[in-house]
Formats: sequence, structure tokens, C-alpha cells
Amino acid sequence: GENVEQHPSTLSVQEGDSAVIKCTYSDSASNYFPWYKQELGKRPQLIIDIRSNVGEKKDQRIAVTLNKTAKHFSLHITETQPEDSAVYFCAASVHNNNDMRFGAGTRLTVKP
Amino acid sequence: EAGVAQSPRYKIIEKRQSVAFWCNPISGHATLYWYQQILGQGPKLLIQFQNNGVVDDSQLPKDRFSAERLKGVDSTLKIQPAKLEDSAVYLCASSGVAGVRPHNEQFFGPGTRLTVL
Repeated sequence: GENVEQHPSTLSVQEGDSAVIKCTYSDSASNYFPWYKQELGKRPQLIIDIRSNVGEKKDQRIAVTLNKTAKHFSLHITETQPEDSAVYFCAASVHNNNDMRFGAGTRLTVKP
Repeated sequence: EAGVAQSPRYKIIEKRQSVAFWCNPISGHATLYWYQQILGQGPKLLIQFQNNGVVDDSQLPKDRFSAERLKGVDSTLKIQPAKLEDSAVYLCASSGVAGVRPHNEQFFGPGTRLTVL
């Protein structure tokens, strides 16, 4: 089955700086890559996703890039704000949401 | 629209006891997922239903865990008997109205925090 690895496990940045979180996946058949944000004690919420037919996707301060050849994808947050502090999870799935596998998470801290 | 509902929100049991969790997905969502999230880890898929059929239960410890979705709507997840290592948050999620994009997005419930003593 799919195996997703996520780095770093913790990330601390100054407010206004950029943050980058990277994930690798093992199954070349994976075609859907969502990113979830989970604040302390709350449920994961989708922030952005990308499909395998696209190399990059942006939504305001958030962007995701996908390299299918290398089987890795990354989350980029620009102009970070303290409210961006949370745990971020990447995930990968095969065949439109089947067999979803999550990374271990990255705890992002944005210092004011 | 109403979100995914789960109950109970918290449960404390002793090892070897049984426990059951309930999930009501978003109306119209055909796919329902149960995840186990151990503290400090990402969600781990336990079982995935498409309507009332099982799509994937490869990571479900079937000797002690069971789940059902009899009418293709609500679902229950049961642990019998519980072990200390089952302490975790159990998340239910649902997705998909076929033909509506992005139907891949999974919407999570608030979770049930299980503590096994």
C-alpha cells in the first residue's frame, strides 16, 4: 500500500517568513494529494489539494507543488501569520480518495 | 450544511472492556471513513465504506475492531476487547457526492477521544 513520509516534524518561523513542508509518497498510482490543517483539539480541515495532472496550485498565501517523477509534493505558506500555527498533514490516495494515507504531520509555530 | 457528527466525544474505559462509537456523515455523502489518530501522529485509515460496502479495511485490527454501515448512512465502530494502545482519537470522515467536484474532499467529524486505562 501507499506510504507517505513528511518532513520536518516541527517547524518554527518568524511571522512574515515563508514555511515549506515536504512529503514523499511510494505508490506511483497515487493521483490525489490533499493537505490538512489541524489546530489543537480540533478536526483536520482541508486547506488545499492537488491532482496528478497538475504541477502547482495556489490559493492566496498557500501553494502546493507536485513532482510526479520524484514522487514528492510540498506545501508552501508565504507571509506566515500566528494563526497559521497548527499541525499540517499531507496525504496521498489512489483512485480518487481510495486508500488515503496520511503523513505523520508537521507542527508549525509562527512566532509574532 | 450540517457537518459530520460523532458521539460520544470522550470515553474512558478499562482495558478488556468494549466500546462503540457512532458517526453520522454529511447528508448525501456515499463514502465514509474511520481513522485512528494516536497523539502526535497522522490519522491512520481503519476502514472505508462506499455506501454500505467495505472498500478498504486492510489496516483494521479485525481481531478486536469491527465496523458496520448497515443502511449506507450512519456507521458504528466497535472495539472488543480494548487494549491500552487503543487510546487515541477516532475520527470519522465522509466525502463525495458523485459528479460534484471536488468530491474527493473529506470532511472530518470532531472525533471521539478514547482513553483506555
